[in-house]
Amino acid sequence: AQSVTQLDSHVSVSEGTPVLLRCNYSSSYSPSLFWYVQHPNKGLQLLLKYTSAATLVKGINGFEAEFKKSETSFHLTKPSAHMSDAAEYFCVVHSGAGSYQLTFGKGTKLSVIP
Amino acid sequence: EAGVAQSPRYKIIEKRQSVAFWCNPISGHATLYWYQQILGQGPKLLIQFQNNGVVDDSQLPKDRFSAERLKGVDSTLKIQPAKLEDSAVYLCASSSPETQYFGPGTRLLVL
Repeated sequence: AQSVTQLDSHVSVSEGTPVLLRCNYSSSYSPSLFWYVQHPNKGLQLLLKYTSAATLVKGINGFEAEFKKSETSFHLTKPSAHMSDAAEYFCVVHSGAGSYQLTFGKGTKLSVIP
Repeated sequence: EAGVAQSPRYKIIEKRQSVAFWCNPISGHATLYWYQQILGQGPKLLIQFQNNGVVDDSQLPKDRFSAERLKGVDSTLKIQPAKLEDSAVYLCASSSPETQYFGPGTRLLVL
């Protein structure tokens, strides 16, 4: 079984300050982990993915995430928030156990204050 | 490369009516998924196809929902009859193979 917990339902930051969105996972197998972003009335866009290569993963738009097996975490960070980053962010786990089913977290809404 | 296409983008119906959604995946993607995303929640998988066969439909409410993927390309998802709690965004995704790419979704409102 696999599950994802996004620790904050809402995060608010000022423009130009760092972003941290927290995610913990559980998986019976070596997981693949993803972050997706969803802007209002838009589909889900892949930000980055971890698939057992480098533990620090760089994604689009300056985002990155670090896979920490000992902490079962996959937190998403960005050094400097931009107004266009305001959106809903989903942490997603794939167990890799012969099925490509994804398990989504409940999402974290990021607000960016000018 | 063209993305996943879905139509319609928005649909408003009354309860007990029927509705159908269409999805065209990224060319060459054998696996196609339908998700339901209720407001304030993450997407929930409804059904997964591999080519034109069903891999997983364990969370599909089969008394009212049906889906097909003829010829292993396009797919349709149907709800008949619709209930108020079916109001949600219906997302289609295709994968290559383990990274899923999502369409813009169809926003359904059942009155």
